Amino acid sequence: GAVVSQHPSWVICKSGTSVKIECRSLDFQATTMFWYRQFPKQSLMLMATSNEGSKATYEQGVEKDKFLINHASLTLSTLTVTSAHPEDSSFYICSARLAGATGVDEQFFGPGTRLTVL
Amino acid sequence: AQSVTQLGSHVSVSEGALVLLRCNYSSSVPPYLFWYVQYPNQGLQLLLKYTSAATLVKGINGFEAEFKKSETSFHLTKPSAHMSDAAEYFCAVSHSGGSNYKLTFGKGTLLTVNP
Repeated sequence: GAVVSQHPSWVICKSGTSVKIECRSLDFQATTMFWYRQFPKQSLMLMATSNEGSKATYEQGVEKDKFLINHASLTLSTLTVTSAHPEDSSFYICSARLAGATGVDEQFFGPGTRLTVL
Repeated sequence: AQSVTQLGSHVSVSEGALVLLRCNYSSSVPPYLFWYVQYPNQGLQLLLKYTSAATLVKGINGFEAEFKKSETSFHLTKPSAHMSDAAEYFCAVSHSGGSNYKLTFGKGTLLTVNP
């Protein structure tokens, strides 16, 4: 149980286009999802916290108009990279927190999406 | 503010040798600590966690870690390395941030296992 999927697993797009990445909790409901960005050989940096039915909370330095996050249901959150540029190329990973969880560790990670902007 | 420092970006061991990956944390409140493993082009898998219960924590795949408050450390060990242990390992710290429990990750340690 507690499986998180991401789609697509990799995407290549042209500079200036927008790309949508989906994060789904397959067998549980998630009131909170997190979006991370990982550069090659570096750690995960939290971009934003997404709560179902409300606006996402962005970390300092993350452009909310560039990285649009929608969490319309308890099993789906989407990250849209708008007007992508080569510097947006990265590995994007989401995680989902089990709805109703009271413990600190009920956060499950997706397999990641590799974005390459040409 | 909380932070994590992983000493050594790359650790190389021989198969069958002891694995020791170091993690030191900084937190103004009692922390929750985690070790995750990441295989190439994959997400993160939880190895083990410390949540203020026993200070010696046993995880999956034979890994364990000991929380030492006096040293602000949470080093990861495995008595005998296996080729399949080769991966990137991340230490992370969290505390109750409202209900969201945000994680702060270290920079990671790449473990290579030589035959």
